[in-house]
Amino acid sequence: NAGVTQTPKFQVLKTGQSMTLQCAQDMNHEYMSWYRQDPGMGLRLIHYSVGAGITDQGEVPNGYNVSRSTTEDFPLRLLSAAPSQTSVYFCASRTVNTDTQYFGPGTRLTVL
Amino acid sequence: GQQVMQIPQYQHVQEGEDFTTYCNSSTTLSNIQWYKQRPGGHPVFLIQLVKSGEVKKQKRLTFQFGEAKKNSSLHITATQTTDVGTYFCVGSGYALNFGKGTSLLVTP
Repeated sequence: NAGVTQTPKFQVLKTGQSMTLQCAQDMNHEYMSWYRQDPGMGLRLIHYSVGAGITDQGEVPNGYNVSRSTTEDFPLRLLSAAPSQTSVYFCASRTVNTDTQYFGPGTRLTVL
Repeated sequence: GQQVMQIPQYQHVQEGEDFTTYCNSSTTLSNIQWYKQRPGGHPVFLIQLVKSGEVKKQKRLTFQFGEAKKNSSLHITATQTTDVGTYFCVGSGYALNFGKGTSLLVTP
């Protein structure tokens, strides 16, 4: 199993550009989440999903959209990137039976 | 998800010294998990505590869950440079909130 994969690993955007961060898992996990990590701020939850077709907002959802059309994929969309969205983004997944999360390697995003 | 507060936010120790980080919740936790994130890496699950008063050990790491299931601690005996990283405690729930964690720096 590949576990949780994220693409791209690095990305540089200009203010106002849009992009999608990809996340996929091959463990048939029901739950998937997106976090951002900034220096001194820890990991903050952006959006999460408890199953295909179901998403909900986390602590810092503004500026981000998500959808969950399949169990495997949970893309994160930035419609109009801002410098405040410069961060490291982690995707994670887990089963409904446990709180143990498995994280992807992260995407390092810089918005100029 | 259930919110927990973690202290200290930063800790700098000399190699060989002990280290402890503490987590506290205002509500009773169903369980608590601990994760470690190495610099430049992603969080990795260490352990889950479920029972009141539970104590689990992993080599030099000792994890405790309070009797009231409102607090937890991670103690590292005789730290090594490989212990460097950020340690997170996480309560249970649909949305798992990690917070700031405790960043440990170990100087040789």
